[in-house]
Amino acid sequence: QSVLTQPPSASGTPGQRVTISCSGSRSNFGGNSANWYQQVPGTAPKVLIYNSNQRPSGVPDRFSGSKSGTSASLAISGLQSEDEADYYCAAWDDSLKGWVFGGGTKLTVL
Amino acid sequence: QLQLQESGPGLVKPSETLSLTCSVSGGSIISSSYYWGWIRQPPGKGLEWIGRVSYSGRTNYKSSLKSRVTISVDTSKNQFSLKVTSVTAADSAVYFCAREVHLWQYFDLWGQGNVVTVSS
Repeated sequence: QSVLTQPPSASGTPGQRVTISCSGSRSNFGGNSANWYQQVPGTAPKVLIYNSNQRPSGVPDRFSGSKSGTSASLAISGLQSEDEADYYCAAWDDSLKGWVFGGGTKLTVL
Repeated sequence: QLQLQESGPGLVKPSETLSLTCSVSGGSIISSSYYWGWIRQPPGKGLEWIGRVSYSGRTNYKSSLKSRVTISVDTSKNQFSLKVTSVTAADSAVYFCAREVHLWQYFDLWGQGNVVTVSS
């Protein structure tokens, strides 16, 4: 049981817009920002979004993030086949005094 | 460009100690801007944070693992290490080392991962 809750799966067709949600609590999203990581199976995770809505250089602007209250979301517009991967949200938890991750969402591009 | 590389045995016997090292190349581990952490991923499951260390040796651990985990740093070798004692099959996972940006709180660089299987 993960501290952050994500849907186990999501899907979309090429060109569509897909959103992935991540639900937390006051001890994590209430006071800290959300991060999003993309993981292609067999490889290391890669950061897509930090500080809830910031993209590192090199991440396409098709990826965007937002946070409201104790929930965060990742949006992918103009879905491409190479976006098929697992996506994880993460945040620092002030009560646990450590990083917590969502259980991951497997995105399928139909 | 800074890179991280994990190294260590791929097979550990139950009740023994798992030891991994993360070598940092292309830059110095000595920086107050970063923490150096370990994250693991059991087969077919999600990511689990284990703990982190600063270049000065200050550590934070996941509470449920704290009694079995030690993370240390060796600035002279530009590397940091993980030890997990009394391992069981539940400790079988891909172990990643990662750099955490202190100010913005996120993991910006990751190692490729080291598969560790606990089995007799």
